[in-house]
Amino acid sequence: DGGITQSPKYLFRKEGQNVTLSCEQNLNHDAMYWYRQDPGQGLRLIYYSQIVNDFQKGDIAEGYSVSREKKESFPLTVTSAQKNPTAFYLCASSMGPLEHNEQFFGPGTRLTVL
Amino acid sequence: AQSVAQPEDQVNVAEGNPLTVKCTYSVSGNPYLFWYVQYPNRGLQFLLKYITGDNLVKGSYGFEAEFNKSQTSFHLKKPSALVSDSALYFCAVRDGGNRDDKIIFGKGTRLHILP
Repeated sequence: DGGITQSPKYLFRKEGQNVTLSCEQNLNHDAMYWYRQDPGQGLRLIYYSQIVNDFQKGDIAEGYSVSREKKESFPLTVTSAQKNPTAFYLCASSMGPLEHNEQFFGPGTRLTVL
Repeated sequence: AQSVAQPEDQVNVAEGNPLTVKCTYSVSGNPYLFWYVQYPNRGLQFLLKYITGDNLVKGSYGFEAEFNKSQTSFHLKKPSALVSDSALYFCAVRDGGNRDDKIIFGKGTRLHILP
């Protein structure tokens, strides 16, 4: 998981509360991504950013928000509008938007809504 | 639109035997293909990729994959399995002909190596 950190590792939230997941990278990568992983469904893209101060919605952006104020950081906020937020969240980065660059993943945050 | 399929949810292999994890894809342009591995409660780790050139790609931990354009496949292989290879494996594809397309991951195949 080298170079990308996610915190916290485990997060518990009450229904109706917003929560922010942290993602930091020291790889000097331009592009960053947020995925959600559910059992049997693989990875689904929530948001991605190809450059600072710019980001795009992925396939399941509803109920989530992001910011990219710094190259190193791409925090994800899970809002109360997200109907089923319990999942494993993975952050990734790559050298740039070039199609052939592989992604480097953080260790993940497991979010549980109580 | 691009897609990727991993037809097996789980593969069981005896230690020391060769292993294959299957992946097929569909893209309109040239495919960029990737394999990742995930250990329990961890992020994904990159294993190997095919962009162009030799159809047989070698990667980390002794894994290799063969790109087959006619069968639109990119199966992951290893000549002799280790118990430590037990993990969840993801195939991913991106359409090299369209910069607006994003990488698409398969649903994953769980590999069990039996001692």
